[in-house]
Amino acid sequence: DIQMTQSPSSLSASVGDRVTITCRTSQSIANYLNWYQHKPGKAPKLLIYAASSLQSGVPSRFSGSGAGTDFTLTISSLQPEDFATYYCQENYSSLTFGGGTKVEI
Amino acid sequence: EVQLVESGGGLVQPGGSLRLSCAASGFTFSSYQMSWVRQAPGKGLEWVSYISSSGRTIYYVDSVKGRFTVSRDDANNSLSLQMNSLRAGDTAIYYCARASSITIFGVVHRPFDIWGQGTMVTVSS
Repeated sequence: DIQMTQSPSSLSASVGDRVTITCRTSQSIANYLNWYQHKPGKAPKLLIYAASSLQSGVPSRFSGSGAGTDFTLTISSLQPEDFATYYCQENYSSLTFGGGTKVEI
Repeated sequence: EVQLVESGGGLVQPGGSLRLSCAASGFTFSSYQMSWVRQAPGKGLEWVSYISSSGRTIYYVDSVKGRFTVSRDDANNSLSLQMNSLRAGDTAIYYCARASSITIFGVVHRPFDIWGQGTMVTVSS
């Protein structure tokens, strides 16, 4: 099975900050990597698919990059509504999620 | 409106059974692959099960193999998860999710683009 290592597991940031979250896979997955945002009591929300494609309706301050085994989610200017937990997911083989990154104030 | 609504969660004793349902609306359910994803208290998301659009291809995470069964009823736009021999470790919010189909440079990607609000399953004596 593919192992997903997401870092950091949590981070503290302020409104307006640039935030970067990384996801590393144990083997190459080309660009079969998605990013989700999850808030307590809500359904998870797709942000980025195919490593760098922005899902319709998602603000352009979110961006994704990477291929192979190393991927990055960037929030260019953190907004109050962005405080949440973020997950990467591979859909190359076993649909595994990363451990999550909690973004808090 | 495109929507998924889960139901069937509740409190069950260890060793018991529960059947979760997911009602789909606003899209052609039969055309989509579907999955179940769970989140245990204080933990991250964990993919649980997958079923293809035809229903012929099914996968499970190792920890539920032999205990959980996923199925779909396209006539009623419904996805189900039959959970038997439940354990404390199965306690979680269970979400159903739709796998989209997006082709980029000839390659098909299937992110989970629509999710339900989840249903809580608690396994405890």
